[in-house]
Amino acid sequence: AQSVTQLGSHVSVSEGALVLLRCNYSSSVPPYLFWYVQYPNQGLQLLLKYTSAATLVKGINGFEAEFKKSETSFHLTKPSAHMSDAAEYFCAVTSGGSYIPTFGRGTSLIVHP
Amino acid sequence: SQTIHQWPATLVQPVGSPLSLECTVEGTSNPNLYWYRQAAGRGLQLLFYSVGIGQISSEVPQNLSASRPQDRQFILSSKKLLLSDSGFYLCAWRRLDTLNTEAFFGQGTRLTVV
Repeated sequence: AQSVTQLGSHVSVSEGALVLLRCNYSSSVPPYLFWYVQYPNQGLQLLLKYTSAATLVKGINGFEAEFKKSETSFHLTKPSAHMSDAAEYFCAVTSGGSYIPTFGRGTSLIVHP
Repeated sequence: SQTIHQWPATLVQPVGSPLSLECTVEGTSNPNLYWYRQAAGRGLQLLFYSVGIGQISSEVPQNLSASRPQDRQFILSSKKLLLSDSGFYLCAWRRLDTLNTEAFFGQGTRLTVV
């Protein structure tokens, strides 16, 4: 079975500050991990994905995430937050024989001017 | 390139009325198709998924149903809506034969049952 836990339903940062959104996964086999972003009243858009190549993955809009097997984590970071980063962020996992992506509950990123 | 279309974008329906939401995918064949519901603060709840025409798996027992009459068409239905059916419904697709590809989402349908 696979699962994803996103710590913190809301994260608030100032514009220009570091963004850190946490994601921990559980999987009995090597996982594939994804981060998505959702703007209000829109569908989800892929930010980046880990597919067992490089452990540090770079995505769109300056985001990156690092796969740490020892910590079962895939945290999302961005060095400097921008107002346009305010959105809902979802971590997801697929693994083993399951073709169903499992999503975390989401983290709402709030960016203050 | 592949695209996914979902409609309508918004819908207001009275309690007890029927529902039909449609999702179509273009530019790919034999995709995995998914219906999710998103309630405020509750993340994404998988409702149904399909790996082929006529093959539907239900994840959550409820008064909703899904059908896949064509390879790239996925329909979410209800005979009688409940207030609790209100939410944001998302259709998504993935390539059938891989684990490492992402899901592609439609723009969603905001359903309000009144």
